[in-house]
Amino acid sequence: NAGVTQTPKFQVLKTGQSMTLQCAQDMNHNSMYWYRQDPGMGLRLIYYSASEGTTDKGEVPNGYNVSRLNKREFSLRLESAAPSQTSVYFCASRLAGQETQYFGPGTRLLVL
Amino acid sequence: EDKVVQSPLSLVVHEGDTVTLNCSYEVTNFRSLLWYKQEKKAPTFLFMLTSSGIEKKSGRLSSILDKKELFSILNITATQTGDSAVYLCGRGNAGNNRKLIWGLGTSLAVNP
Repeated sequence: NAGVTQTPKFQVLKTGQSMTLQCAQDMNHNSMYWYRQDPGMGLRLIYYSASEGTTDKGEVPNGYNVSRLNKREFSLRLESAAPSQTSVYFCASRLAGQETQYFGPGTRLLVL
Repeated sequence: EDKVVQSPLSLVVHEGDTVTLNCSYEVTNFRSLLWYKQEKKAPTFLFMLTSSGIEKKSGRLSSILDKKELFSILNITATQTGDSAVYLCGRGNAGNNRKLIWGLGTSLAVNP
């Protein structure tokens, strides 16, 4: 079991470029989450997917879109990257009926 | 607005010391409180607490919840340099797709 995997590990973008962060889990979890983590700001929820086929906005959704491609995969897209989106992005997943979220290793994104 | 407040924000101790980390929360729709440890990578799950007064223990780490006073503590006894990390507290709300509201974390440094 790989758990939650994320690609890429690190990315540098120029302002205005687009990219997709990939997340996959092999634990048969129903719910998946995208967070960003910035110094002094803690973990902030961008989007989440309670189950396959559904997505909802979190605390800081502006500038992002998501796709729950199937039960395993949940991607996060930046259409036009801005320096304010420089952050570490974590994907997490959770089994239905349980509270614990399991995190991927993170993607460090730098937008110049 | 739901808030989770962790204190202290940072702490420096010597190996062998005992530390107590605090997490306070607001009462609305409370369901659970979770502790995670984050070294230079993804947060990893430590404990989940739902009932007052029942201690959860794993080795030198223990945690307890006080639902009357709305806080939880994480104790680490006989600290080691490997305990150096950010400790995150997240509260779960009833009925909102199990989103977690996170505190800013306590950064613990254990010096030899």
